[in-house]
Amino acid sequence: DIQMTQSPSSLSVSVEDRVTITCRASQSIGRNLNWYQEKPGKAPKLLIFAASSLQSGVPSRFSGGGSGTDFTLTISSLQPEDFATYYCQQSYSTPRTFGQGTKVEIK
Amino acid sequence: EVQLVESGGGLVQPGGSLRLSCAASGFTFGNYWIYWVRQAPGKGLVCVSHINWDGSATTYADSVRGRFTISRDNAKNTLYLQMNSLRVEDTAVYYCAREMSSAGSGPRMDSWGQGTLVTVSS
Repeated sequence: DIQMTQSPSSLSVSVEDRVTITCRASQSIGRNLNWYQEKPGKAPKLLIFAASSLQSGVPSRFSGGGSGTDFTLTISSLQPEDFATYYCQQSYSTPRTFGQGTKVEIK
Repeated sequence: EVQLVESGGGLVQPGGSLRLSCAASGFTFGNYWIYWVRQAPGKGLVCVSHINWDGSATTYADSVRGRFTISRDNAKNTLYLQMNSLRVEDTAVYYCAREMSSAGSGPRMDSWGQGTLVTVSS
C-alpha cells in the first residue's frame, strides 16, 4: 500500500495568514493526489484533485501543486471558515490511502 | 443533486453484526466506483472497502478483510457493507463516497454521505 505522510500534523495561524501543508507519498503517484477539508460533524469536502485542479465551488485562495512524491496545499489568505483538518489522498492505486491529517487552528 | 445517504449504524456488542446501507440519488449509480471510508473518534480517514461499477471487483483494508463484505444493487441505487465479528476498534463514523474520474484527471471522491455512526461496545 502507498503510505501518505503529511506535515505538519497541526499548525496555529491567524486569519489572513498564508498556509502551506505538505504531503509526501511513499512512491511516485504522478499527479494522482487529492486534498479534502474536514470540519467536525461534517463529511469531508473535496478541494483539489489531480494535484492542482480546483473543485467546482471551492474558493480560489486554495491551490495545490507538486507531482511524483511531493505535494503541497496552499491557502493564500486564511479565512475564519478555513479552520479545519486537511487530508491528502492518493488515487494512483487501490487501496486509496489518506495522509494522517493536518489540523489548522486559530492562534 | 447528487446525494448519498447512509443508514444502519448503531450500538452493537463485540462479535455482533451490522449491515450499513448507502442510498444514492441524482446520478447514474452504476457508472461509479463507490467507497466506504471510516473515521474513528479523534482519528483520520481510512478507506475500508471499495467496489467497482458492477460489483465484479472489490478491495478491503487488512483490518476488515474476512469480516466485512461490500456489495451493491444498481437496480436499487444502493451500496451495502455487511459487517460481521465486529470489534471495539471498528467504532467509527462510516461514510460512503462516490469516486469520479474524468479524461485527463485522476480519480477523486467528489461526493460523500453524511456518515453513520457505528459503536461497538459491551
